[in-house]
Amino acid sequence: DIVMTQSPDSLAVSLGERAAINCKSSQSVLYSSNNKNLLAWYQQKPGQPPKLLIYWASTRESGVPDRFSGSGSGTDFTLTISSLQAEDVAVYYCRQYYSAPITFGQGTRLEIK
Amino acid sequence: QVQLQQSGPGLVKPSQTLSLTCYISGESVSSNTAAWNWIRQSPSRGLEWLGRTYYRSKWSNDYAVSVKSRITINPDTSKNQFSLQLNSVTPEDTAVYYCARLCTINSALDYWGQGTLVTVSS
Repeated sequence: DIVMTQSPDSLAVSLGERAAINCKSSQSVLYSSNNKNLLAWYQQKPGQPPKLLIYWASTRESGVPDRFSGSGSGTDFTLTISSLQAEDVAVYYCRQYYSAPITFGQGTRLEIK
Repeated sequence: QVQLQQSGPGLVKPSQTLSLTCYISGESVSSNTAAWNWIRQSPSRGLEWLGRTYYRSKWSNDYAVSVKSRITINPDTSKNQFSLQLNSVTPEDTAVYYCARLCTINSALDYWGQGTLVTVSS
């Protein structure tokens, strides 16, 4: 199985400041046939299911604010929130779908400083 | 707009069978561009994919190795839903269980059920 490791485990950022969450996969998730990284980012708030933010490592899901962006390729990826809003407090997960089984990172808890 | 609505008991006794159903609205369970998944979440295991069912000229299933001997996921085309059965449960199966759609166009789990907390306890 591909192991997904996120860092940090928790993060406190001031409102309006930039937040960055890292995700590292144990092997490359770059699919050579279409040159896409098979990695997604999710946001989960208490009592809710995960919400899809980004797929193909950098494509925002419809309706997701443009302060959320994804970058990276191969084994190293970053989710960036350019200007933290109060409603962004949540746990964030990366997920790979390069090979079965689908695997998730352990999550990064984002809080307001 | 796709919506997934879960149903099933929240308490199961050890050694018994956990059964959950996920009703789909807004898309057919037989869609050629979707796969229907069960995922669970617990503090000890995090988010864990359990398995999926999908239709591509015929029905197929994939299961996680960790539960393969105990799990069955079945589609029900007459009711447009799919189900999860997990046999011989132990307290380690206590978790929030989610159903979710995987869109094969972008391979994203884009629609999720509301989640069901299942506690395994006598």
